[in-house]
Amino acid sequence: DIQMTQSPSSLSASVGDRVTITCRASQYISRFLNWYQQKPGKAPKLLISAASSLQGGVPSRFSGSGSGTDFTVTISSLQPEDFATYYCQQSYSTPWTFGQGTKVEIK
Amino acid sequence: QVQLVESGGGLVKAGGSLRLSCAASGFTFSDFYMTWIRQAPGKGLEWVSYISSSGSAIYYADSVKGRFTISRDNAKKSLYLQMNSLRAEDTAVYYCARGQSSFDYWGQGTLVTVSA
Repeated sequence: DIQMTQSPSSLSASVGDRVTITCRASQYISRFLNWYQQKPGKAPKLLISAASSLQGGVPSRFSGSGSGTDFTVTISSLQPEDFATYYCQQSYSTPWTFGQGTKVEIK
Repeated sequence: QVQLVESGGGLVKAGGSLRLSCAASGFTFSDFYMTWIRQAPGKGLEWVSYISSSGSAIYYADSVKGRFTISRDNAKKSLYLQMNSLRAEDTAVYYCARGQSSFDYWGQGTLVTVSA
């Protein structure tokens, strides 16, 4: 199975900050990488697919990049509604696997 | 609008069975792969199983293979997960989601608690 490792596991940031979360795959996954946002008590929401393709309705302050084994999601200017947990997920080979999550908290 | 509504969760003893359902609306259900994903309390996400649009292709995580069965009824626009031989480690919120490898719509989840 492909292991997905996110860093950091948590971070504290202020509104307006630029935030970057990293996801590393244990083997090559091309650009088969998706990002989700989950708020407490809610289902995850797909933000980015295929490493950098923003889903409809997702604010442009979110962006994704990377290929191979190393990926990032960046929030250019953190907004109050962005405080949540973020997960990466590889869709290169089954079983699909998720990172452990990165919790973005208010500083 | 797309809606996925899970039901069937609850408290069950280890070794018992439970059947989850997911009712879909707002899209052509028979056109899409569907997936079950679970999340243990306070933990991350774990993919469980997917089924193709026709039901002809099915895949399971090793952790549930041989115990869980995914199925669908396209006429009823419904997805199911039959869970047998339940273990304490199956305790989780179970989400149904649209898609095979990326999941653009999710239900609200249904909690399954397996007591020892």
